[in-house]
Amino acid sequence: GENVEQHPSTLSVQEGDSAVIKCTYSDSASNYFPWYKQELGKRPQLIIDIRSNVGEKKDQRIAVTLNKTAKHFSLHITETQPEDSAVYFCAASINSGYALNFGKGTSLLVTP
Amino acid sequence: GAVVSQHPSWVICKSGTSVKIECRSLDFQATTMFWYRQFPKQSLMLMATSNEGSKATYEQGVEKDKFLINHASLTLSTLTVTSAHPEDSSFYICSARGSLSGRSSPTNEKLFFGSGTQLSVL
Repeated sequence: GENVEQHPSTLSVQEGDSAVIKCTYSDSASNYFPWYKQELGKRPQLIIDIRSNVGEKKDQRIAVTLNKTAKHFSLHITETQPEDSAVYFCAASINSGYALNFGKGTSLLVTP
Repeated sequence: GAVVSQHPSWVICKSGTSVKIECRSLDFQATTMFWYRQFPKQSLMLMATSNEGSKATYEQGVEKDKFLINHASLTLSTLTVTSAHPEDSSFYICSARGSLSGRSSPTNEKLFFGSGTQLSVL
C-alpha cells in the first residue's frame, strides 16, 4: 500500500519568513496530492492540492510542487503569519475522491 | 461548498457501552464515505470505506465487529463503537466523496470532512 513520509514533524519560523514542508510517497499509482491544515480538535481543511500532470501550483501565499519521478512533493508558505500556526498534513491518493493516505503531520508555529 | 455534518461533536461514555456517530452529507449525495481515527498528536488513519447499500471495507487491524458501519442511504453513514474501552478514546472523523458541480467524475470529486467526534471512554 501507499506510504507517505512527511518532514519535519515540527517547524518554528518567525513571522514573515517562509516555511517548507516536504513529503514523499511510495506508490507510483498515486495521482492526487492534497495538503490539509488542521487546528486542534477541528476537521482538516484543504488548503491546496495538485495532480500528477502538474508540477507546480500556487494560491496566493501557498504553493505546492510535485516531482513525480522522485515521488516527492512540497508545501511552501511565504510571508508566514501567526494564524498560519497549525498542524499541516500531506496526503496521497489515486484520485481526488478516493481514500487518502496521510503523512504524520507537521506542527507549524509562527512566532510574531 | 459541500457540507458534511457529523454528530455528536464529543461524547463521554462508560467502558462497555456503545456509541453511535452519525455523518450526513447535507447538500450532495455521497455514495462513498470514509471513516478515519486520529489519536492525539498523530495522523489520520483510515479505518474503513463504506459504500451506500453494501458492506463496509475495513483496513487491516480494524475490527469489523467492534466498529460497525452502516451506510443505508446516500446521505447518511453511521459508525458504532461497540463495547467501548478506554483505548478506543480518539477523534473519529468521516469524509464523504462528493462533487461541488453536482456532476461526478474522477477529476471533479473531492473528499469533504465532517467536523469530527471526540470520544472519551472512562
